[in-house]
Amino acid sequence: EIVLTQSPGTLSLSPGEGATLFCRASQSVSGYLAWYQQKPGQTPRLLIYGASSRATGIPDRFSGSGSGTDFTLSISRLEPEDSAVYYCQHYASSPTWTFGQGTKVEIK
Amino acid sequence: EVHLVESGGGLVQPGRSLRLSCAVSGFNFEEYGMHWVRQAPGKGLEWVSSITWNSGSVAYAASVKGRFTISRDNAKNSLYLQMSSLRAEDTALYYCAKLSESRVTKSWFDPWGQGTLVTVSS
Repeated sequence: EIVLTQSPGTLSLSPGEGATLFCRASQSVSGYLAWYQQKPGQTPRLLIYGASSRATGIPDRFSGSGSGTDFTLSISRLEPEDSAVYYCQHYASSPTWTFGQGTKVEIK
Repeated sequence: EVHLVESGGGLVQPGRSLRLSCAVSGFNFEEYGMHWVRQAPGKGLEWVSSITWNSGSVAYAASVKGRFTISRDNAKNSLYLQMSSLRAEDTALYYCAKLSESRVTKSWFDPWGQGTLVTVSS
């Protein structure tokens, strides 16, 4: 089973700053990686698929990069509404899928 | 617009069974693989089970294998999760999720339902 490890566990930043979230896979997942945003009390929402493609309706402040085992989600010009937990997920080795443990982004 | 609506959650005693349902609309259900994902209170996301568009292949997380059974009825636009021998650690919000691309297995989840809460307690 491929294990995804996200870092850091929590990010505390101010509005207008940028955030960089990391996701490392225990073995290569090629570009089969997605990022989801989950706000408190809400269902997860797709942000990025294919490691770097933005989902429909996602602002260009969100960008993904990486391939193989190391991936990054970058959020520029943070807004209070970006406060959420962000999860990476691989879909490389179907039929099993795994998620990272999540990174909590707090906007002070 | 795509809609996924889960139901069937509730309070159940350890060792008992429960059947979750996910009613879908807004897309051609028979062309998409479907998944169940759960989230224990205050915890992260855990993939539970998957089924291909034609029920040709199913898969389970190790934590539920042998206890949970996924199925679908394409005529009724519905996905199911039969859960048996429930344990306290199965307590979670259970989401159904649709694969984004049709007739494939390597795809991301989009969208997700709102979830149905399962509480296993005596």
